[in-house]
Amino acid sequence: AQSVTQLGSHVSVSEGALVLLRCNYSSSVPPYLFWYVQYPNQGLQLLLKYTTGATLVKGINGFEAEFKKSETSFHLTKPSAHMSDAAEYFCAVSDLNAGGTSYGKLTFGQGTILTVHP
Amino acid sequence: ETGVTQSPTHLIKTRGQQVTLRCSSQSGHNTVSWYQQALGQGPQFIFQYYREEENGRGNFPPRFSGLQFPNYSSELNVNALELDDSALYLCASSLGAGAYEQYFGPGTRLTVT
Repeated sequence: AQSVTQLGSHVSVSEGALVLLRCNYSSSVPPYLFWYVQYPNQGLQLLLKYTTGATLVKGINGFEAEFKKSETSFHLTKPSAHMSDAAEYFCAVSDLNAGGTSYGKLTFGQGTILTVHP
Repeated sequence: ETGVTQSPTHLIKTRGQQVTLRCSSQSGHNTVSWYQQALGQGPQFIFQYYREEENGRGNFPPRFSGLQFPNYSSELNVNALELDDSALYLCASSLGAGAYEQYFGPGTRLTVT
């Protein structure tokens, strides 16, 4: 079964510092990949997605992620953290069927809580 | 454009009871997926409804059931509640059964005592 591993359940950075949240997936066939953000007592908001094409994907709020097939990774980065970035971040994958289309089911990692210090 | 809405926001039930959670999909979306997010965990896929029929199910027992209505809104029903059912239940809507881009509602927080 597909699995997603997020390294580090908690990441703490200073305001203005680089944010790096790690995600690895287990699949012999590259799936579609996503990062979601969840603020306290709220649902999930899509930050960015990779389906096909350019492996460096830009999302909202200055975040970007790079798909590396050889490393089965999809790490999320932001050059300069802002206090408003403090939230929980989830990496997710959507498996593809033999025809190359999505099953429509998302498999999520355990989440990484990002804390930003002034 | 109306986003995904869920009701109620919070719910407290007793073990053994039954509960119904509701979800209205985003305008134009015909597919609804339900996820369970236990405290400190990532969301887990329960099932998906497309054109009023179940279209895929995760590793959840049959006491978790659902419905989708002609207007594409959906219900999640859980019978014989257990303490471990306490979680945030998230509904996501999308356009098409294989659609990977899902839009999530704010969730319903269920507490089972």
